[in-house]
Amino acid sequence: DAGVTQSPTHLIKTRGQQVTLRCSPKSGHDTVSWYQQALGQGPQFIFQYYEEEERQRGNFPDRFSGHQFPNYSSELNVNALLLGDSALYLCASRPDRVSYEQYFGPGTRLTVT
Amino acid sequence: GDSVTQMEGPVTLSEEAFLTINCTYTATGYPSLFWYVQYPGEGLQLLLKATKADDKGSNKGFEATYRKETTSFHLEKGSVQVSDSAVYFCALIDRNTGNQFYFGTGTSLTVIP
Repeated sequence: DAGVTQSPTHLIKTRGQQVTLRCSPKSGHDTVSWYQQALGQGPQFIFQYYEEEERQRGNFPDRFSGHQFPNYSSELNVNALLLGDSALYLCASRPDRVSYEQYFGPGTRLTVT
Repeated sequence: GDSVTQMEGPVTLSEEAFLTINCTYTATGYPSLFWYVQYPGEGLQLLLKATKADDKGSNKGFEATYRKETTSFHLEKGSVQVSDSAVYFCALIDRNTGNQFYFGTGTSLTVIP
């Protein structure tokens, strides 16, 4: 049983560009959350998707948007990239109404130059 | 709002030493508490959890007890190994919503032979 997978592993972008990160949840999980982990910090909640809708959002600007597909996979989009967006982006999944324990993927390392 | 405060690192210990990493929390609802571990270049792995007051979570020789009276969830291990070198994150989630994890800033542990 594959766990949470994310792609790409690493990404380098230039300021002002746009980026899309992808996540496939663990089998049987229908809820996907995204977190941003800056270097030396704990992960910060960006948003959570369930039934293809954004269910809850953290304190992130509208430049951060997402999508969930019918197969429960998800994308995180960041527009107008800033140097401060450089971080490890983590995806986490869980089965809704069964457990709030979240399983994390390995992350995508985004570097903005 | 909800938050987690962790003991700052880095922590360096000799093999077989006793480990304590302090964690305290602030929560308005009914939190469940977690410890996650992150090895270099990887995502987060659940180490242990406790869902309600006085519960003790344990795994791989690590343990932590949910203390509501002191709002604490300190991580302990009686004899650390070199393979325990990693960054440890304390986290909480509100059982009412189960949507958003709040993480501490992480404590880096290095165990030397």
